[in-house]
Amino acid sequence: DAMVIQNPRYQVTQFGKPVTLSCSQTLNHNVMYWYQQKSSQAPKLLFHYYDKDFNNEADTPDNFQSRRPNTSFCFLDIRSPGLGDAAMYLCATSRGKGNYEQYFGPGTRLTVT
Amino acid sequence: GESVGLHLPTLSVQEGDNSIINCAYSNSASDYFIWYKQESGKGPQFIIDIRSNMDKRQGQRVTVLLNKTVKHLSLQIAATQPGDSAVYFCAENNDMRFGAGTRLTVKP
Repeated sequence: DAMVIQNPRYQVTQFGKPVTLSCSQTLNHNVMYWYQQKSSQAPKLLFHYYDKDFNNEADTPDNFQSRRPNTSFCFLDIRSPGLGDAAMYLCATSRGKGNYEQYFGPGTRLTVT
Repeated sequence: GESVGLHLPTLSVQEGDNSIINCAYSNSASDYFIWYKQESGKGPQFIIDIRSNMDKRQGQRVTVLLNKTVKHLSLQIAATQPGDSAVYFCAENNDMRFGAGTRLTVKP
């Protein structure tokens, strides 16, 4: 019954080694989001896709990229992870932008060694 | 509500008491607000929402109050239970950003 699925749940990568986190949804929602959440902080929006339209937050580092090959899947690529990128990464979807709630996946916990 | 990256405010209540969690938002153009609950190790989960044409909305044990004059939102939880222990975030639709959050701890 999972609606927003994130794989893997835990990811360990080495400093500077590219890593990809994946998200899929069964809701057929138009919008998909990626958030970064560090310990005891609120989720911080990195970017979102409205259909194929990519929207990057102004303060999202260039090190973070995203791909959405189809409605169901969205990927977060971290090109050269630093120690400061260790965090929980949350994927969310919504039917549309504006007056719609977001559905979150369980998150991927990224560790950088 | 803007995340400021500080330690989460905390609220500790006795089981059975009522809880009130507050949130201030910054964008006066926001017209839709959501409260999320995040349990440890999980993603945020929708609790209740409210549109700007309303002042109050009630759910099963939760009530959200909206004061547009002072840009303030509150979540009231009646008869708080141990299962309510979590971090609670408010979010506004304009920029899809979360407020700083409040950690609620329920003491048995």
